[in-house]
Amino acid sequence: DAGITQSPRYKITETGRQVTLMCHQTWSHSYMFWYRQDLGHGLRLIYYSAAADITDKGEVPDGYVVSRSKTENFPLTLESATRSQTSVYFCATKQGSGETQYFGPGTRLLVL
Amino acid sequence: KQEVTQIPAALSVPEGENLVLNCSFTDSAIYNLQWFRQDPGKGLTSLLLIQSSQREQTSGRLNASLDKSSGRSTLYIAASQPGDSATYLCAVTNSGGSNYKLTFGKGTLLTVNP
Repeated sequence: DAGITQSPRYKITETGRQVTLMCHQTWSHSYMFWYRQDLGHGLRLIYYSAAADITDKGEVPDGYVVSRSKTENFPLTLESATRSQTSVYFCATKQGSGETQYFGPGTRLLVL
Repeated sequence: KQEVTQIPAALSVPEGENLVLNCSFTDSAIYNLQWFRQDPGKGLTSLLLIQSSQREQTSGRLNASLDKSSGRSTLYIAASQPGDSATYLCAVTNSGGSNYKLTFGKGTLLTVNP
């Protein structure tokens, strides 16, 4: 039972390039989330999805795009990467509104 | 806007000591509170989830308490072990329409010395 997988685990890219981070879950949880974790800021919500084809902005959505055509996948795209988007990105899921959130292993992204 | 503060930012203790990590939040209208553990270079692991109607939750050597009216939670770790060394994060979910969104504290880095 893999739970939540994220790919790639590590990525180096250049400013201006488009990058897509993948998140896949095997539980069929309704909710999926993308966070970024930075020193001094902690974890901040980028986007979330309550179900397939339903997405909404979190605290820091600028420069990011998401989609959720299938329940199990929630890709995060950086349309034109900037150095300020260098971070560790975590995907998370949960089944219901009062439930525990489960986190993936993270993707470390370096934008040069 | 909900803000979550964790004190201390770092804590170093000898093995076997009992310890308390603190979390405070500014808006008491919360749905629940979670404590997570994060090992270096890893994702977050949920330790305990306390619903707003509960006062505490226990799991093994861990006990988390919640005082919603004062905006405080504590995580008590009994008989600490070197394997407990990690960053501990507190996060709250606000009640109302946005009861999906977690607001995190910046964490307490715990080091347990053998």
